Amino acid sequence: DGGITQSPKYLFRKEGQNVTLSCEQNLNHDAMYWYRQDPGQGLRLIYYSQIVNDFQKGDIAEGYSVSREKKESFPLTVTSAQKNPTAFYLCASSIGAGVIPDGYTFGSGTRLTVV
Amino acid sequence: RKEVEQDPGPFNVPEGATVAFNCTYSNSASQSFFWYRQDCRKEPKLLMSVYSSGNEDGRFTAQLNRASQYISLLIRDSKLSDSATYLCVVRPYTGGFKTIFGAGTRLFVKA
Repeated sequence: DGGITQSPKYLFRKEGQNVTLSCEQNLNHDAMYWYRQDPGQGLRLIYYSQIVNDFQKGDIAEGYSVSREKKESFPLTVTSAQKNPTAFYLCASSIGAGVIPDGYTFGSGTRLTVV
Repeated sequence: RKEVEQDPGPFNVPEGATVAFNCTYSNSASQSFFWYRQDCRKEPKLLMSVYSSGNEDGRFTAQLNRASQYISLLIRDSKLSDSATYLCVVRPYTGGFKTIFGAGTRLFVKA
């Protein structure tokens, strides 16, 4: 079955550490996204990628970095510069940017906690 | 004003009830609209797209009112399994990446 796999499901980070969240899809989707969800707030876009070797900052990119070396993979690194990283992180993909209607397929998420 | 606003609820309804949620958006140029469902501590899943003429999928009906800039979701004959958070999603123009997610409306359906 096609889908998006995120790992790990739960992640604990110490102050000052960088951590990398994995996101892999086998849907042959061109576009991939990283969102952050905090209680009582809508999803906020961190980074997105339209195609391999290309990615763009979203609304809250500070303290995060990504890469898109393969179509299937879009890992997110939460760096020590991110001051409030505790959140639920969701990876998503879509066929492309211009397909209407174009819903997202989400991974099951990674819950990151700073300890 | 938030770009997409939803009543956070919670809406507590008995099984079999009809319940409706509204979602308002601020950008009149918005083109694409969706409702997603999110279960507790899970990822959002697409429930339905919202078309200009309105659309229905079983017990669920979505409508768009461009003049007043809101979309609605009506759930008839509520089931216990409908308990979830319903996210309103708006895209300001065709394609692109500026997708705005509402914070969601929580629904609890009671036996």
